[in-house]
Amino acid sequence: EAGVAQSPRYKIIEKRQSVAFWCNPISGHATLYWYQQILGQGPKLLIQFQNNGVVDDSQLPKDRFSAERLKGVDSTLKIQPAKLEDSAVYLCASSLMPGTVNEKLFFGSGTQLSVL
Amino acid sequence: GENVEQHPSTLSVQEGDSAVIKCTYSDSASNYFPWYKQELGKGPQLIIDIRSNVGEKKDQRIAVTLNKTAKHFSLHITETQPEDSAVYFCAASTTRGSTLGRLYFGRGTQLTVWP
Repeated sequence: EAGVAQSPRYKIIEKRQSVAFWCNPISGHATLYWYQQILGQGPKLLIQFQNNGVVDDSQLPKDRFSAERLKGVDSTLKIQPAKLEDSAVYLCASSLMPGTVNEKLFFGSGTQLSVL
Repeated sequence: GENVEQHPSTLSVQEGDSAVIKCTYSDSASNYFPWYKQELGKGPQLIIDIRSNVGEKKDQRIAVTLNKTAKHFSLHITETQPEDSAVYFCAASTTRGSTLGRLYFGRGTQLTVWP
């Protein structure tokens, strides 16, 4: 079974530029998450989708971050304009059904973003 | 929201020894506690999880214990091997309302196993 796919693996941009990350979850997983992992810290949730609807975006800095999951499958996360403090690994994860025995989260390898 | 604290931040053990990592959580509504292993340049990989209706769970050399009253849970790795070296994260999840399925992570423990 294929895992969570993310691209690109690495991205280097200058501050105030824009950047986009792509994620394809495990087939059949209705729930998709974007997490931000700053160096030396645990992942922090940015946004959670259930199919193509947003469940939780309370931690998403909406003035610069946006995300979509138009057809309920793959998703994109965008940052515009980027700040130095956005340097982090952006992880995508998916699960079959949260709050049930099928709630296990599976993570992709992440996109490492460096903002110079 | 939920607050998960994890200790120690670094742990060094000799190959064959046991390693224990401890976490506490604040929200009594949390009922799902997974542990993840993250190797350099990779995403977190689920290694074991436990639900609040169970006190202990084992999978070969790995075990997790949960004390709901004290709101803490621990990861135990026995007979450690060099390939166990990685960063380990504990997490907690609640089934409460809009945060259903959301994982709150600890800050991680860098485990180093010396041959």
